[in-house]
Amino acid sequence: NAGVTQTPKFQVLKTGQSMTLQCAQDMNHEYMSWYRQDPGMGLRLIHYSVGAGITDQGEVPNGYNVSRSTTEDFPLRLLSAAPSQTSVYFCASSYGAGQRSYEQYFGPGTRLTVT
Amino acid sequence: AQKVTQAQTEISVVEKEDVTLDCVYETRDTTYYLFWYKQPPSGELVFLIRRNSFDEQNEISGRYSWNFQKSTSSFNFTITASQVVDSAVYFCALSEAEYGQNFVFGPGTRLSVLP
Repeated sequence: NAGVTQTPKFQVLKTGQSMTLQCAQDMNHEYMSWYRQDPGMGLRLIHYSVGAGITDQGEVPNGYNVSRSTTEDFPLRLLSAAPSQTSVYFCASSYGAGQRSYEQYFGPGTRLTVT
Repeated sequence: AQKVTQAQTEISVVEKEDVTLDCVYETRDTTYYLFWYKQPPSGELVFLIRRNSFDEQNEISGRYSWNFQKSTSSFNFTITASQVVDSAVYFCALSEAEYGQNFVFGPGTRLSVLP
């Protein structure tokens, strides 16, 4: 099992550019999510999905889009990059989409810099 | 509203000392889950423990132990006989049954264990 994989590991964008952060998991997890990590703020939820075809917004969704066409993949799109989106992005997955909460498995992260 | 507070931003100890990391949470749900994650300097997030709100038993795993007290809304983490490899940022997280898998993370505590 590769677990949760993310590409790229590092990315530099200019303001206004768009890009897609890739995330895939091979554990057949129903739930997938994207977080951003900023100094002193922990991780904040951007978007999440409880299954293929179902996505919803988290705490900080503005400027990001997601889709979930398969169980395995959950890409995050930055529509028009802004310096405020400079952060480390983590994708995560877990069992369960109901009310029992399970540990999330995290990918290695993507460090994004927007200039 | 759910919230997690980790009041200790940074802690430094000398190897072999015991150290306790504090976590205080807020929730209106009666069913919730608490987690601890470790983020070593390499950047990945490593799951340490999951605890549900109906299980107040303390847990010990090797040098690690966790103290869950609903009366004070705390879920503290103690490392006994700390080692240099324990140096990391530690995050406490909360999920409420109402919100399924969506985690709220605390801001993290950076632990430095000096040789």
